[in-house]
Amino acid sequence: QVQLQESGPGVVKPSETLSLKCTASDYSVNFDYYWGWIRQSPGKGLEWIGNLYHNGGSDYNPSLKSRVTISLETSKTQFSLKLTSVTAADTAVYYCVRGDADFACVVHWGLGTLVRVSS
Amino acid sequence: QSVLTQPPSVSGAPGQRVTIPCAGTSSNIGAGYDVHWYQQRPGTAPKLIIFGNVNRASGVPDRFSGSKSGTSGSLAISGLQAEDEADYYCQSYDNSLSAFYVFGTGTKVTVL
Repeated sequence: QVQLQESGPGVVKPSETLSLKCTASDYSVNFDYYWGWIRQSPGKGLEWIGNLYHNGGSDYNPSLKSRVTISLETSKTQFSLKLTSVTAADTAVYYCVRGDADFACVVHWGLGTLVRVSS
Repeated sequence: QSVLTQPPSVSGAPGQRVTIPCAGTSSNIGAGYDVHWYQQRPGTAPKLIIFGNVNRASGVPDRFSGSKSGTSGSLAISGLQAEDEADYYCQSYDNSLSAFYVFGTGTKVTVL
């Protein structure tokens, strides 16, 4: 059972860049899985942000694609999320996840971290 | 930006059976992609309960069952228990330009 933990600032100013990291208890290369980020605005539903695959590829939500980058950290035990030019609409709980590549579903979720966009 | 439609709420007495539908389109469920279900209790992260339309995730009671037909999926909870009170979300893959991974609007299950 892999454990995931998000980390990063809880408040980001409008127009700045939101940066989060996810530490996984098991980051061994396994092409059966992918890493990703999902967010949930307060009192709202779930929104897929993007995935990072072990072959180095990535997919992003088209509505966020121009502002999002998901990448592997040099430590290779973490992956990160960067979201540029944030607005109040980006206020949400951000979850890092590990998914099953064959079924295209999310198997493991981090605890989530609330990021507020506020001046 | 939810692409899959669920009723906002369903309710039932302890022991009863409730069903949550998940309506999709020809670019997701109707295109043959699997339906998955997540349970989210208040203040916690979602938890996978059904994957690949009908498969229960590890440790999930057999009171939970999933199905898929045409452009829709469905989650059934039989023998409803107080601990089942939570939000439930369906999820699938979409091959249109909206998004690859799409979630349902969510359903609040209330145990009366």
